Amino acid sequence: GAVVSQHPSRVICKSGTSVKIECRSLDFQATTMFWYRQFPKQSLMLMATSNEGSKATYEQGVEKDKFLINHASLTLSTLTVTSAHPEDSSFYICSVRTVVGVYTEAFFGQGTRLTVV
Amino acid sequence: AQKITQTQPGMFVQEKEAVTLDCTYDTSDQSYGLFWYKQPSSGEMIFLIYQGSYDEQNATEGRYSLNFQKARKSANLVISASQLGDSAMYFCAMREGVKTGGFKTIFGAGTRLFVKA
Repeated sequence: GAVVSQHPSRVICKSGTSVKIECRSLDFQATTMFWYRQFPKQSLMLMATSNEGSKATYEQGVEKDKFLINHASLTLSTLTVTSAHPEDSSFYICSVRTVVGVYTEAFFGQGTRLTVV
Repeated sequence: AQKITQTQPGMFVQEKEAVTLDCTYDTSDQSYGLFWYKQPSSGEMIFLIYQGSYDEQNATEGRYSLNFQKARKSANLVISASQLGDSAMYFCAMREGVKTGGFKTIFGAGTRLFVKA
């Protein structure tokens, strides 16, 4: 079964509105979650690292005021795309890491396809 | 700086045959992990196989095996007995400090695999 649940899977919003995407860790507590963005036919690009109880760490070039991340509990991180524009249309995917044996493995959510019209 | 290179944007393989997806990496760290993920058209990221930099044996997981050549910094994925359901995008990824659970994961550009009946 799914280890990480991401909601919604698809969303269409009007330009200028805000959209919230949820990422839930179902089977374990996650102090750290990761948010990625994937443009069509491209690879995953890390946007930010979400830390429970503290501020997120954003990658260079990612606007923290536009992509608000809240990690209020050990099982939930949210990404809010504020004042969305058509260029924000993309596939957003979160991941959670946990220790499996002697290494850490990343489990991914199902992804959210955002379309801004 | 980390770098993951997948030079094959697309690959075709006949059903039931084996296929090798190439991946080379660049890192100055001694401790790192290499991962392969499968991304079907639905968008979810499915973990396939892991190879640690200190692992002496090549990793295997069912029909998947990783041909790890540390001196050449390559970590090719071999899929044996291809099935139609293997048609998907495949990403090679690397993470430093894998045993401590830290650091970010860097993804290659991906290889799209097409399995022909």
